[in-house]
Amino acid sequence: QQPVQSPQAVILREGEDAVINCSSSKALYSVHWYRQKHGEAPVFLMILLKGGEQKGHEKISASFNEKKQQSSLYLTASQLSYSGTYFCGTEGNTGNQFYFGTGTSLTVIP
Amino acid sequence: NAGVTQTPKFRVLKTGQSMTLLCAQDMNHEYMYWYRQDPGMGLRLIHYSVGEGTTAKGEVPDGYNVSRLKKQNFLLGLESAAPSQTSVYFCASSYRQGVIQPQHFGDGTRLSIL
Repeated sequence: QQPVQSPQAVILREGEDAVINCSSSKALYSVHWYRQKHGEAPVFLMILLKGGEQKGHEKISASFNEKKQQSSLYLTASQLSYSGTYFCGTEGNTGNQFYFGTGTSLTVIP
Repeated sequence: NAGVTQTPKFRVLKTGQSMTLLCAQDMNHEYMYWYRQDPGMGLRLIHYSVGEGTTAKGEVPDGYNVSRLKKQNFLLGLESAAPSQTSVYFCASSYRQGVIQPQHFGDGTRLSIL
């Protein structure tokens, strides 16, 4: 039930754009996105609900396609501070369980 | 603001020993979670609680027990530690308003089982 993220890792130069995808085999109720710096706890970025798209943080936005059970995170004009591991988290339509994806390591270089 | 506090931050155990990890939150959140994080595996849900006195199993509950006697505290117990339980453990809390709201994480507990 763990969502699958792609790519597993990406390296960008400052100013470049990136897209991180999150797919689930289960119907989704909501999708969260978090970023984790090395040695630190995950930090919430944004939440997406069925039928909605929310831009919540710096130049980072996301979309949620509930028919395909997919979400994508868009990072534009990347900055060095964007480096870290990005996780999607999904809540299904039944129950209270919450599942995190396997993570995408993003490295921004000068 | 303390947020979510985990104790201890580091611990080394021998195989077969037992221990309890404590998570405390001061945000009056109903929902609390225990995750383990291993390289390449992301965050995997061990157990969770949707309110005082209630607990439920997550993806990887075997070898762990939990208790939520007070709303602000969520305890994770290892009855007989095994090397496979070497990991970083994160506690998180949130509330629900229609959907599960953003989770707030503690700083983690780094646990090594020898």
